Amino acid sequence: SAVISQKPSRDICQRGTSLTIQCQVDSQVTMMFWYRQQPGQSLTLIATANQGSEATYESGFVIDKFPISRPNLTFSTLTVSNMSPEDSSIYLCSVRDRGMNTEAFFGQGTRLTVV
Amino acid sequence: DQQVKQNSPSLSVQEGRISILNCDYTNSMFDYFLWYKKYPAEGPTFLISISSIKDKNEDGRFTVFLNKSAKHLSLHIVPSQPGDSAVYFCAAASGTYKYIFGTGTRLKVLA
Repeated sequence: SAVISQKPSRDICQRGTSLTIQCQVDSQVTMMFWYRQQPGQSLTLIATANQGSEATYESGFVIDKFPISRPNLTFSTLTVSNMSPEDSSIYLCSVRDRGMNTEAFFGQGTRLTVV
Repeated sequence: DQQVKQNSPSLSVQEGRISILNCDYTNSMFDYFLWYKKYPAEGPTFLISISSIKDKNEDGRFTVFLNKSAKHLSLHIVPSQPGDSAVYFCAAASGTYKYIFGTGTRLKVLA
């Protein structure tokens, strides 16, 4: 299993500002993902972070709002841009090996509150 | 459209008894299912998985049952322990990397 470190663990931000969340993995992994868990909701996939190229976004999520970087196989960032209170959520980094039927591992999450 | 549903938001069980958490899905193309446990202020932790070619998978106190005809899976925890108190998520995938998660069931094991 991979050990995933996410920073910050929590933050309170003013609306209109941006926050960058970092995800560091202790080993090279093929696939990295960013999820969001809104209060009382399930985990929703935001995007797949692709090394050296643009992330692949799910329906309802766009690069201007959630720019993602992945400069190498162990690190990724997610930025939540121009925040509003509706962006208050837990944001989770996840990794898994490419291939069928492999489990995903998660970071501890970043609890974001926008005021 | 919620493709993976956990209809019980919460469940309380006495220590030592069996905990049964349920999950229903609507997409018959799903072929891999997983259960995760989540404590407050932590990320989800993988518990157990099952492929659609099986109907049961066991790992220690945890057993997952899959009923493909009913599009239903369940997680059994026997015996339940206070440390099992957490939110449990089921997830499903259909041959791709994308997991669809349920909304979770909060399990409380009473000492």
